[in-house]
Amino acid sequence: AQSVTQLDSQVPVFEEAPVELRCNYSSSVSVYLFWYVQYPNQGLQLLLKYLSGSTLVKGINGFEAEFNKSQTSFHLRKPSVHISDTAEYFCAVSDRDSNYQLIWGAGTKLIIKP
Amino acid sequence: ETGVTQSPTHLIKTRGQQVTLRCSSQSGHNTVSWYQQALGQGPQFIFQYYREEENGRGNFPPRFSGLQFPNYSSELNVNALELDDSALYLCASSFGGGSTDTQYFGPGTRLTVL
Repeated sequence: AQSVTQLDSQVPVFEEAPVELRCNYSSSVSVYLFWYVQYPNQGLQLLLKYLSGSTLVKGINGFEAEFNKSQTSFHLRKPSVHISDTAEYFCAVSDRDSNYQLIWGAGTKLIIKP
Repeated sequence: ETGVTQSPTHLIKTRGQQVTLRCSSQSGHNTVSWYQQALGQGPQFIFQYYREEENGRGNFPPRFSGLQFPNYSSELNVNALELDDSALYLCASSFGGGSTDTQYFGPGTRLTVL
């Protein structure tokens, strides 16, 4: 069965520094990949998704992610973070084994230090 | 355009009781998915309703049941509450029951079972 691993539960980073949030999944056969963000006391919001095509996906708020099939990874990156990026970030995967329902990672809290 | 709303925001119940959570989908959406998010974990898929029919179910017991109404709003019912049912319950709506459709999340209902 598909599983999603977000290796870092928390990532502290200084404001204006680059950041990478890591996501690995277990099965690489025909997957769809998603990153969602959860701001405090708000609902989850889609940042970006990979369905097919170019492996570099650009999303909202300056985030991007790269699909790497051989490493079964979909890491999220931003070249320069802002205090407003403080939130929890979730990686999710869907595939045929999950009947195309979303399987979620445990989340990574991005902590921006001034 | 009205977003996804959920009620109530917080709820406290005792073990063995029953609870009903409500979700109003975003205007124009015909699909509602429900998720359970335990503290410190990612969401887990409970079930999805597409045009008033169940369209997929996760690994949850039958005491978790749902409904979708003609206006595409939805209810999640949980019978015989257990302590482990304490969690944030998220509702997401989308247009279409497909795996690639973007889901729009409500802020959630925090259920505490004592």
